[in-house]
Amino acid sequence: LAKTTQPISMDSYEGQEVNITCSHNNIATNDYITWYQQFPSQGPRFIIQGYKTKVTNEVASLFIPADRKSSTLSLPRVSLSDTAVYYCLVGLQPLVFGKGTRLSVIA
Amino acid sequence: SQTIHQWPATLVQPVGSPLSLECTVEGTSNPNLYWYRQAAGRGLQLLFYSVGIGQISSEVPQNLSASRPQDRQFILSSKKLLLSDSGFYLCAWSVLGQGAQSHTEAFFGQGTRLTVV
Repeated sequence: LAKTTQPISMDSYEGQEVNITCSHNNIATNDYITWYQQFPSQGPRFIIQGYKTKVTNEVASLFIPADRKSSTLSLPRVSLSDTAVYYCLVGLQPLVFGKGTRLSVIA
Repeated sequence: SQTIHQWPATLVQPVGSPLSLECTVEGTSNPNLYWYRQAAGRGLQLLFYSVGIGQISSEVPQNLSASRPQDRQFILSSKKLLLSDSGFYLCAWSVLGQGAQSHTEAFFGQGTRLTVV
């Protein structure tokens, strides 16, 4: 299972775009990249998943370079309610969550 | 639609007492099932996962055990709780996606906050 590395924490002001990068140097050919969001006292919630290039949904965008050794979750115009821990997962089985990135959005 | 039920929401147990947490999934067949524990301010620690009835993989040696007596039922147990077993326990399920190695999203229960006193 590919190991991932993310920043421990990030701060941002409301309305700004936030980019969280995850490194996964030993990603396997068939591995997908998935991001989850977790609020306190709740289980993680799926945000977005991708394999290569760019994926966008109503919540976020995911950028994956050609070598796929990293990925960047982009949250457009964050609000206070986006304060949470964000996890990057790579691969299939089992679902192992790292320490994640604690995003704090400031008014 | 698929739903996951996890109970109880909170639990206070004395040291040395047994534990049984139950998780059930509705609306899907042959899900992958997971038990996680999260200590205060820490990340999610995968405890057990199961790809089928009676198939349990343990990620961390500990005071806990898991069982899957039915396709959509996952149980976390302990014979004698330790203080260090306190934490937020989460059950989750997922199914394989269409790609060879893809994974659809994982769905989590509401969690059980266990305090061992």
